[in-house]
Amino acid sequence: SQKIEQNSEALNIQEGKTATLTCNYTNYSPAYLQWYRQDPGRGPVFLLLIRENEKEKRKERLKVTFDTTLKQSLFHITASQPADSATYLCALDGRYSSASKIIFGSGTRLSIRP
Amino acid sequence: EPEVTQTPSHQVTQMGQEVILRCVPISNHLYFYWYRQILGQKVEFLVSFYNNEISEKSEIFDDQFSVERPDGSNFTLKIRSTKLEDSAMYFCATQKGVLQTQYFGPGTRLLVL
Repeated sequence: SQKIEQNSEALNIQEGKTATLTCNYTNYSPAYLQWYRQDPGRGPVFLLLIRENEKEKRKERLKVTFDTTLKQSLFHITASQPADSATYLCALDGRYSSASKIIFGSGTRLSIRP
Repeated sequence: EPEVTQTPSHQVTQMGQEVILRCVPISNHLYFYWYRQILGQKVEFLVSFYNNEISEKSEIFDDQFSVERPDGSNFTLKIRSTKLEDSAMYFCATQKGVLQTQYFGPGTRLLVL
């Protein structure tokens, strides 16, 4: 069955350092992969989308890589700030259909300490 | 920036009662979804809706659940006879086109007593 793993349940790093979050998947061929941010009691907020034919994508301090051979995505936040503290969700969609569900990982709770 | 809105933000109901959760999609979006998140667990897909019909549904979305877009604007999720295990956050998401980003609403927290 399809499986998505976000390797760390929680990650605690010092402000200013680069946070790196990992997402691995099995038994799946996603058309694209997304990263969302979720704060407690709130809905997921879209951050970045990377397609299967893209290796890397950047947006301000965020960078995502996508390796379809390794079936892995890495999500980086450079120059991390306490305001970056949240749960980050990896999400996959693999269907070129009229409507496509997203399958979410369980998330990594990132804490940035001052 | 346009947003997905959901009402109510919180709903408390007795087991066996019917609830209707409402979502107002972003205006030019064509694809609509419901997801749920039980406290401490991952976000789970319930159902997708396009062109006034269900495109796909999960095994969670049984006969107690239904969706509709009655007036061309609101998108609703109805739970006919709530169970304790239906207690969760319910998120609506909308999408402009296939393979594009899904935008999530703030959620409705449902508590079934």
